[in-house]
Amino acid sequence: AQSVSQHNHHVILSEAASLELGCNYSYGGTVNLFWYVQYPGQHLQLLLKYFSGDPLVKGIKGFEAEFIKSKFSFNLRKPSVQWSDTAEYFCAVNGGSGQLIFGTGTRLQVFP
Amino acid sequence: EADIYQTPRYLVIGTGKKITLECSQTMGHDKMYWYQQDPGMELHLIHYSYGVNSTEKGDLSSESTVSRIRTEHFPLTLESARPSHTSQYLCASSEFTGEQYFGPGTRLTVT
Repeated sequence: AQSVSQHNHHVILSEAASLELGCNYSYGGTVNLFWYVQYPGQHLQLLLKYFSGDPLVKGIKGFEAEFIKSKFSFNLRKPSVQWSDTAEYFCAVNGGSGQLIFGTGTRLQVFP
Repeated sequence: EADIYQTPRYLVIGTGKKITLECSQTMGHDKMYWYQQDPGMELHLIHYSYGVNSTEKGDLSSESTVSRIRTEHFPLTLESARPSHTSQYLCASSEFTGEQYFGPGTRLTVT
């Protein structure tokens, strides 16, 4: 069965710090990969996605993610976080089943 | 900007009541989904539909039922609510790429 692991459950950073959130998935076939963000009190929004091509994808608000097929990973990065990045971040994989499988989420808190 | 709507946003009801959570989308997507999400936890798929008159149960067992009579409408019904149904319910729709668009959610509390 497909699964998604997010190893960081809760991350606390100061503004301007760099961010990297880990995401690993288990599926040997072709995958579509997503990062979603849920700001406090708001609905889930797509941050970025990877379908094919350049493994380094750029999303909204300065976020990027790198797909490393050999490591089954799709880590999310941002060089300098802001207080407004405080949110819950979910990695998701769409593999052979056609369904989106979500990770448990990472809660990011950014302090001024 | 995705156009997917859920009502009500918040609902507090007593045990044994029948409720229907509404979900509508205006994007013409064939695929629609219902997820259950507890605070700080991952999303669990409880129902999905790949088109009109097509509904399937998801990975998480749920006592709810769904219907898909129109493409844009995918309501979820609980015949007899219990405190264990207290949770947030998220509706989503997707295009053929698999990218899902989410509604704002319904936060349900059963007392």
